[in-house]
Amino acid sequence: DQQVKQNSPSLSVQEGRISILNCDYTNSMFDYFLWYKKYPAEGPTFLISISSIKDKNEDGRFTVFLNKSAKHLSLHIVPSQPGDSAVYFCAASAAADSWGKFQFGAGTQVVVTP
Amino acid sequence: DTGVSQDPRHKITKRGQNVTFRCDPISEHNRLYWYRQTLGQGPEFLTYFQNEAQLEKSRLLSDRFSAERPKGSFSTLEIQRTEQGDSAMYLCASSLVTGLSSYNEQFFGPGTRLTVL
Repeated sequence: DQQVKQNSPSLSVQEGRISILNCDYTNSMFDYFLWYKKYPAEGPTFLISISSIKDKNEDGRFTVFLNKSAKHLSLHIVPSQPGDSAVYFCAASAAADSWGKFQFGAGTQVVVTP
Repeated sequence: DTGVSQDPRHKITKRGQNVTFRCDPISEHNRLYWYRQTLGQGPEFLTYFQNEAQLEKSRLLSDRFSAERPKGSFSTLEIQRTEQGDSAMYLCASSLVTGLSSYNEQFFGPGTRLTVL
């Protein structure tokens, strides 16, 4: 059962514009959410996280928004840069699991064009 | 390099053979996780340890899979009697969990790519 879904497998955006990546989840027990970035032949790298007590978290060019009622989160990258071209995964975990396991979405391939 | 390391990076084996992978976590991290990733999918949780204790195992972890973390430092993942369906990237991650910090990101290694012929 896929509890975390990223419905857009790919996204192409022009350099300097905003990238918006979306993620939906079904498990209402999830209370901690993260975004990871992955380059080919490397492991995922942590980008930004948000707990369910917040609805927004910002770190430099990256902002994550959480809408608990809609069970939806999004990642905004502004401005997009060529080095942002990668696969982005959202992940979720729950206190009930002691935040011990992350459920990942299938990923969104972002391509930033000049 | 003080990140998570995994060995080997690539493994090609024949169906029916046993394979073992090693993961060295970030030294001060008390939690260690194993995930499996197949093409076009995100990482799927397999199991995790807190210190030496294996706290959870996924249903994905069949009887042919066993993981250990004997001294609470490095971990091994063994697959017995490999099948072609075991071909995947096996990712290890670690994190530090304390009483003060419930939320914690996991730091991933580069993975071991297994190909079963």
